Amino acid sequence: DTEVTQTPKHLVMGMTNKKSLKCEQHMGHRAMYWYKQKAKKPPELMFVYSYEKLSINESVPSRFSPECPNSSLLNLHLHALQPEDSALYLCASSVGYRNNQPQHFGDGTRLSIL
Amino acid sequence: KQEVTQIPAALSVPEGENLVLNCSFTDSAIYNLQWFRQDPGKGLTSLLLIQSSQREQTSGRLNASLDKSSGRSTLYIAASQPGDSATYLCAVLDSGYALNFGKGTSLLVTP
Repeated sequence: DTEVTQTPKHLVMGMTNKKSLKCEQHMGHRAMYWYKQKAKKPPELMFVYSYEKLSINESVPSRFSPECPNSSLLNLHLHALQPEDSALYLCASSVGYRNNQPQHFGDGTRLSIL
Repeated sequence: KQEVTQIPAALSVPEGENLVLNCSFTDSAIYNLQWFRQDPGKGLTSLLLIQSSQREQTSGRLNASLDKSSGRSTLYIAASQPGDSATYLCAVLDSGYALNFGKGTSLLVTP
């Protein structure tokens, strides 16, 4: 079992829907990440939060809106997504940002846009 | 921009064989290198992390080496088992926050 928990595991939504992805960790990590992984491709970084503040936004479209309400929880709010946004969305955490500790990943949310 | 290459892209071996997966990277100024396993439709499981100052790390039947100056890492799997079948990803941390992933090696171990 992974120590980073993502919900839901699967999500199907229309292009006009609003939904949210959730990620939780209770390892005391202070850095949390969102990655996007298309089929048969490696993960690509979207956002980095450090101490609950957004530190990195890798030029992600505004239809993806991250939120870090507390040190254990990371959300990704979705609105007006496009079919090409269908992918596996992975959350990760690490002890800190800009250090040498490993990133721990959740099992991901598989998102399908109709 | 850091480029990470993994060879081979796919590998099929009979159970019991020892095997080597290769990873190369273009910029040797890295913080660390991490090997992951990914089962179909699942997230990433961290296998081994090698700091830039280290040469190798071992966990059970897995051994990872790092030659930072030549930009290479290998993952050695001893006595392979069907349960080892998965995609293995190599990732380097070079800016302090962003993991740069290779495209992975898809491994199939047949009984």
